[in-house]
Amino acid sequence: KQEVTQIPAALSVPEGENLVLNCSFTDSAIYNLQWFRQDPGKGLTSLLLIQSSQREQTSGRLNASLDKSSGRSTLYIAASQPGDSATYLCAVSQPVSSNTGKLIFGQGTTLQVKP
Amino acid sequence: DAGVIQSPRHEVTEMGQEVTLRCKPISGHDYLFWYRQTMMRGLELLIYFNNNVPIDDSGMPEDRFSAKMPNASFSTLKIQPSEPRDSAVYFCASSFDPHTIYFGEGSWLTVV
Repeated sequence: KQEVTQIPAALSVPEGENLVLNCSFTDSAIYNLQWFRQDPGKGLTSLLLIQSSQREQTSGRLNASLDKSSGRSTLYIAASQPGDSATYLCAVSQPVSSNTGKLIFGQGTTLQVKP
Repeated sequence: DAGVIQSPRHEVTEMGQEVTLRCKPISGHDYLFWYRQTMMRGLELLIYFNNNVPIDDSGMPEDRFSAKMPNASFSTLKIQPSEPRDSAVYFCASSFDPHTIYFGEGSWLTVV
């Protein structure tokens, strides 16, 4: 059974700092991995999607890496800003052959960036 | 596009009452998902539909929960009777494919 773990559960950093959020998964047979952002009282917004054949994806100040063999992904945020404060969730998608369509989510890392 | 639209956004109900949550997916999306989010269990998939047909309902917690999708633009998640442990945020999401999905803003349910 696939399990997704995110460490740390919460993180507080001063503005301008570079930071790394970690995600690990137990079954390396994934279709893709996504990072989402969730603001309080809101739904989830997809930030980055990494296909299983890819190693990383970048969008602006965000960079996500994927190491399938070790079951790990990281989300790197450069030059953090107070507007980055949110909960970040990692989710893995099961292989398309299984046709389950399930995204398995981690519990999230709640980030606070202090001005 | 307006995105995935959910209603109600907030609901407080008494234990034993029926609760109906509604969802309008993004037009043209073939997949619709219902997720539940709690502090203890995080985000869990309850059920998903493809072309209005339920594909995987293994996450539906028990018989008190039911979901329908009568057409491509509407789905409901019903809880009858509701219990305090059903208090959670219920998200609807839709997609072109099962691996890249767009979430609504959720329905916040409190059962007292």
